[in-house]
Amino acid sequence: EVRLVESGGAVVQPGGSLRLSCAASGFTFEDYNMFWVRQRPGMGLEWVSLISWDAGATYYADSLRGRFTVSRDNSENSVYLQMNSLRTEDSAVYYCAKDIRVGASFEMDVWGQGTTVTVSS
Amino acid sequence: QSVLTQPPSVSAAPGQKVTISCSGSSSNIGNNFVSWYQHLPTTAPKLLIFDNIKRHSGIPARFSGSKSGTSATLDITGLQTGDEADYYCGAWDTSLRVWVFGGGTKLTVL
Repeated sequence: EVRLVESGGAVVQPGGSLRLSCAASGFTFEDYNMFWVRQRPGMGLEWVSLISWDAGATYYADSLRGRFTVSRDNSENSVYLQMNSLRTEDSAVYYCAKDIRVGASFEMDVWGQGTTVTVSS
Repeated sequence: QSVLTQPPSVSAAPGQKVTISCSGSSSNIGNNFVSWYQHLPTTAPKLLIFDNIKRHSGIPARFSGSKSGTSATLDITGLQTGDEADYYCGAWDTSLRVWVFGGGTKLTVL
């Protein structure tokens, strides 16, 4: 069974940092691009970041570039999202998702259950 | 303001059909695959349609996708109360080098 499990969500103060993790299983992780998507309270899905299968390419939503960093460890079957200088508007449920196929398909077929980040003083 | 434009809400009676539109541009929908996602509160989003028209594994034939030029459409026939959810279109934007979601459409089955 293909499975993604996010962790690392917490309550953090504005200006703080947090590292989210997503553990993958049930597929050849090293072959697939991986995504981070978030949903802020009362709002729609918002794409956060994409990392290619080999970490050779990373992409970010314009509003997040410079504060968020995506990485992966193919030996650990995990993808990470380092979030710095957190703002109250970063409070959201963060999901990781995998690309549907090997290559640059850029469509998300399997999603984790999400991890909640709350930025509050 | 989302790069992809969807109606905020649609509604219809059980058994009826709804159409959810998604309008973009040549840099996203026009030249890349469109996918559609169903999202219920507190659950993981679910892929319904990929490659513009293909149903994901386990998705019933009541759900269908199409694309023409810079617009895409999700049709849902034989509406069921369990279809009540938020629906999102999405695509890669080649010019912006970002993934873009539509703003989401809330489906109400009356």
